[in-house]
Amino acid sequence: KAGVTQTPRYLIKTRGQQVTLSCSPISGHRSVSWYQQTPGQGLQFLFEYFSETQRNKGNFPGRFSGRQFSNSRSEMNVSTLELGDSALYLCASSLAASGSYEQFFGPGTRLTVL
Amino acid sequence: KNQVEQSPQSLIILEGKNCTLQCNYTVSPFSNLRWYKQDTGRGPVSLTIMTFSENTKSNGRYTATLDADTKQSSLHITASQLSDSASYICVVSATSGGGADGLTFGKGTHLIIQP
Repeated sequence: KAGVTQTPRYLIKTRGQQVTLSCSPISGHRSVSWYQQTPGQGLQFLFEYFSETQRNKGNFPGRFSGRQFSNSRSEMNVSTLELGDSALYLCASSLAASGSYEQFFGPGTRLTVL
Repeated sequence: KNQVEQSPQSLIILEGKNCTLQCNYTVSPFSNLRWYKQDTGRGPVSLTIMTFSENTKSNGRYTATLDADTKQSSLHITASQLSDSASYICVVSATSGGGADGLTFGKGTHLIIQP
């Protein structure tokens, strides 16, 4: 089975721009979660989608949004980029509820905001 | 507030030696505990996932232990190899059937294996 894929792998943007990141989960997995990882903070939960519905959301501003399509692929969008948004963005997929089922992470998208 | 504390923050050992990483948590109610290995610039890879009833679980040279009474877990690496250099992240799930918002992540232990 193919693993979780994320595109693009690297991205450089300037302040004020917006960005869209994509995640394709493992075939058959219905839950997709997004995380932001920075050196000082570790992994911070952004949001989780299950069957095209946002199941829960972390403590991030409204500039961070996402969606999930009928094939379980997910996208996250960050508008009005700030320097502090520079991070590794990871998505993870699981069969169902992430609390009970093992999560499989993608390679991440490295976003740099200049 | 649910918390996961990992120690040490960083560790340097010689190739071939053993090491043990610690994870203490204050997560309630407990569902399961996971250990991940994350190479620099890559996504985390699962090593083990342990439920309340499991005390020990092995994955090759990696052995995780869980003491649910003291809320402690350890990850023991035997006969370390250069490829073991990575960050090791402990994650605790608060509720069975819950979503990703019930996962509490530790900040990781950065392990360096020297030849």
